[in-house]
Amino acid sequence: QQPVQSPQAVILREGEDAVINCSSSKALYSVHWYRQKHGEAPVFLMILLKGGEQKGHEKISASFNEKKQQSSLYLTASQLSYSGTYFCGTAKPNDYKLSFGAGTTVTVRA
Amino acid sequence: SQTIHQWPATLVQPVGSPLSLECTVEGTSNPNLYWYRQAAGRGLQLLFYSVGIGQISSEVPQNLSASRPQDRQFILSSKKLLLSDSGFYLCAWVEGSSYNEQFFGPGTRLTVL
Repeated sequence: QQPVQSPQAVILREGEDAVINCSSSKALYSVHWYRQKHGEAPVFLMILLKGGEQKGHEKISASFNEKKQQSSLYLTASQLSYSGTYFCGTAKPNDYKLSFGAGTTVTVRA
Repeated sequence: SQTIHQWPATLVQPVGSPLSLECTVEGTSNPNLYWYRQAAGRGLQLLFYSVGIGQISSEVPQNLSASRPQDRQFILSSKKLLLSDSGFYLCAWVEGSSYNEQFFGPGTRLTVL
């Protein structure tokens, strides 16, 4: 079952912050975050594993709350290059595949 | 370093025609391989995955099939394309389990007319 992402879309001005949420109805072991620019392939941002581990990538960070079965991606002091569609992918224990959310489109304007 | 190739980059095919998309990975061995489809403005739908030569798992029953004739080669096929098969087809690979990063190929944009 695919995770649910919110919001569907967000528009920011450069320097503003945003939070993208990803939640699942099933127990999770890991959450992956990817960003896709229009017409291109998704690019890996980070993986979070069970244990509430938080990892960061430049000014993009994320958290994983396994009790709530959700993850949040934090875009801090957004830059024009942050524009794109962000997908979360979730994996169950001992599974070889990811289930991806429908995506959140982020538009950063000057 | 590892690289992943897909071809063709774009394809326009009539309804009812066959399809063959190829994906190859270099610089790694025994990767897990995946085929995704992305309809315009939509998310990533997993079609097939493979954990080894000749081992194919299908996620969505449809008129597509996949094969893995060699360790680092993954092929997506159809005998008769439907209009609904249009989309952006992405191949991806992972070293080991799904807990590792997935690397996506550049994709094939398929239009069925």
